[in-house]
Amino acid sequence: KQEVTQIPAALSVPEGENLVLNCSFTDSAIYNLQWFRQDPGKGLTSLLLIQSSQREQTSGRLNASLDKSSGRSTLYIAASQPGDSATYLCAVYSEKLVFGKGTKLTVNP
Amino acid sequence: GAVVSQHPSRVICKSGTSVKIECRSLDFQATTMFWYRQFPKKSLMLMATSNEGSKATYEQGVEKDKFLINHASLTLSTLTVTSAHPEDSSFYICSASPGAGYGYTFGSGTRLTVV
Repeated sequence: KQEVTQIPAALSVPEGENLVLNCSFTDSAIYNLQWFRQDPGKGLTSLLLIQSSQREQTSGRLNASLDKSSGRSTLYIAASQPGDSATYLCAVYSEKLVFGKGTKLTVNP
Repeated sequence: GAVVSQHPSRVICKSGTSVKIECRSLDFQATTMFWYRQFPKKSLMLMATSNEGSKATYEQGVEKDKFLINHASLTLSTLTVTSAHPEDSSFYICSASPGAGYGYTFGSGTRLTVV
């Protein structure tokens, strides 16, 4: 059974800092990994999708890496802004999409 | 990009009544859609997989008679919470994918409150 773990559960940083969110999964037989952002009371917004054959994806200030063999992914956020405050969810897809519990990020002005 | 529309965003209903939630793929066809439930400060839990033209596949522990799923077209799936009770109060989210390699797009979610 696939299990996804995200560390840390919560993170508070001052504006402008670079930060890394971690995601690990127990079964490396995945098709892809997706990072999402969820604002309070809202749905999920897809940030980055990494196929199993890829090692990283970039979008603006976001960079996600994937090490499938070790079951790990990181989401790097550069020059964080207060608007980045949200919960970040990692999900892996094999037979179905399995989510971690998320990292709640607070960026303080 | 792929867009999934979910309606309503919020609903309050009396205990014992039924509530229908709609999930539409706006710019792509989806033979499969997924329904999730999210409890406060918890991860999303897959409830069921909605299959166009056939019966939904429910995850273990999810009552199929309480959570009725209909996927009558390639762009619409509905989740009906029947005889709702306060413990059914939760955040329900649907998702779909345009196809292999595209990842999943989620609706904006429905906050159900049963009073």
